[in-house]
Amino acid sequence: DAGVIQSPRHEVTEMGQEVTLRCKPISGHNSLFWYRQTMMRGLELLIYFNNNVPIDDSGMPEDRFSAKMPNASFSTLKIQPSEPRDSAVYFCASSFPGLRGQPQHFGDGTRLSIL
Amino acid sequence: GENVEQHPSTLSVQEGDSAVIKCTYSDSASNYFPWYKQELGKGPQLIIDIRSNVGEKKDQRIAVTLNKTAKHFSLHITETQPEDSAVYFCAASISTGNQFYFGTGTSLTVIP
Repeated sequence: DAGVIQSPRHEVTEMGQEVTLRCKPISGHNSLFWYRQTMMRGLELLIYFNNNVPIDDSGMPEDRFSAKMPNASFSTLKIQPSEPRDSAVYFCASSFPGLRGQPQHFGDGTRLSIL
Repeated sequence: GENVEQHPSTLSVQEGDSAVIKCTYSDSASNYFPWYKQELGKGPQLIIDIRSNVGEKKDQRIAVTLNKTAKHFSLHITETQPEDSAVYFCAASISTGNQFYFGTGTSLTVIP
């Protein structure tokens, strides 16, 4: 049973460049979450989708960040232009929500370094 | 919105001893409380969860307790082993939404 798959695992790029992070959720899960993790801020929710529709993007730091979910098996998080303060580990998680709460399953993240 | 606080931020125990991590939440509508373990270079992995209709749940050496009146829940690890060393996160969720509110994490070190 494949878990949440993220790519790339590591990304190093220069500031100003466009960065695209990719996520494949667990098959059958209809909720997808993008998080950012840093030492200073911990785990921050950036945006989440239900049935491919963005529900809450209030955590997206600024207009340089955008996320899409064109179908149930793929999502992207894009940063354009990137800045050094965007350096962090970005996680994608998926879940199958229920009335009584369901766990989110995380990928192993993309470690992003902006020089 | 919901606010989850987690203590302590770091915890060191001798192998074989017990470890306890505590979390409090603010929204009485929260009804699902998962715990995650994060090892270096990996994503958080669910280790145990509890729903608001029960007060305690056990899975081998791991247990979670929930006090709805006081709005706090705790993770208990007994007979700790070096491989239990990791960062642990608590979270709370409201049934009407599927967003998680995470605590700030506890770095647990088990000393052999």
